[in-house]
Amino acid sequence: QTVVTQEPSFSVSPGGTVTLTCGLSSGSVSTTYYPSWYQQTPGQTPRTLIYSTDTRSSGVPDRFSGSILGNKAALTITGAQADDESDYYCVLYMRSGIWVFGGGTKLTVL
Amino acid sequence: QLQLQESGPGLVKPSETLSLTCTVSGGSISSSSYHWGWIRQPPGKGLEWIGNIYYSGSTYYNPSLKSRITISVDTSKNQFSLRLSSVTAADTAVYYCARHVTYGAGYYYFYYMDVWGKGTTVTVSS
Repeated sequence: QTVVTQEPSFSVSPGGTVTLTCGLSSGSVSTTYYPSWYQQTPGQTPRTLIYSTDTRSSGVPDRFSGSILGNKAALTITGAQADDESDYYCVLYMRSGIWVFGGGTKLTVL
Repeated sequence: QLQLQESGPGLVKPSETLSLTCTVSGGSISSSSYHWGWIRQPPGKGLEWIGNIYYSGSTYYNPSLKSRITISVDTSKNQFSLRLSSVTAADTAVYYCARHVTYGAGYYYFYYMDVWGKGTTVTVSS
């Protein structure tokens, strides 16, 4: 069973930079998994931030960026703002047609 | 503007079958560039991918739920549906439907979820 790993929690100071990662329990994440990232505030519908590793979805501020760092996908927030405090989920697409969510990272801005 | 709306019972008894429908408006479900799928989120927990369907009827399911899931599509109504059998309290969750972008050409391929429904809460309880 494929397990996608994310940090359970992270904190960043306002104006600071934070990098959240998305890995695999066995193996490396590459662009061929088409990693995508979603932001969810409590009680709200998830919002698409990044797809195909590093493409920002329409309307997403450029302080959000995606990349591959080492053997993981990464979401970097540069110049964090208070309203970036949310849960962040990555999703990997498997060639079998299955999609797998990571467990999510709860980001605190303080 | 494309919109998705989930509908179905908010309360299901244990061992029974959960049935939800997602109605697509503002666009056609019969597009070659998309699959249409379901995601759920138990209270206080993360998101879990359930499965998706192409307008032709081909499906992909989460292996951990595969034995209990059926996803179907009705192109005439621009709707797709989820049936989850033999439910237990562990199936209590907010259920979202979402459009899955699934297209590509040449070197460029895209796989991500771009439009979500607002979600519907389903509680499994007697």
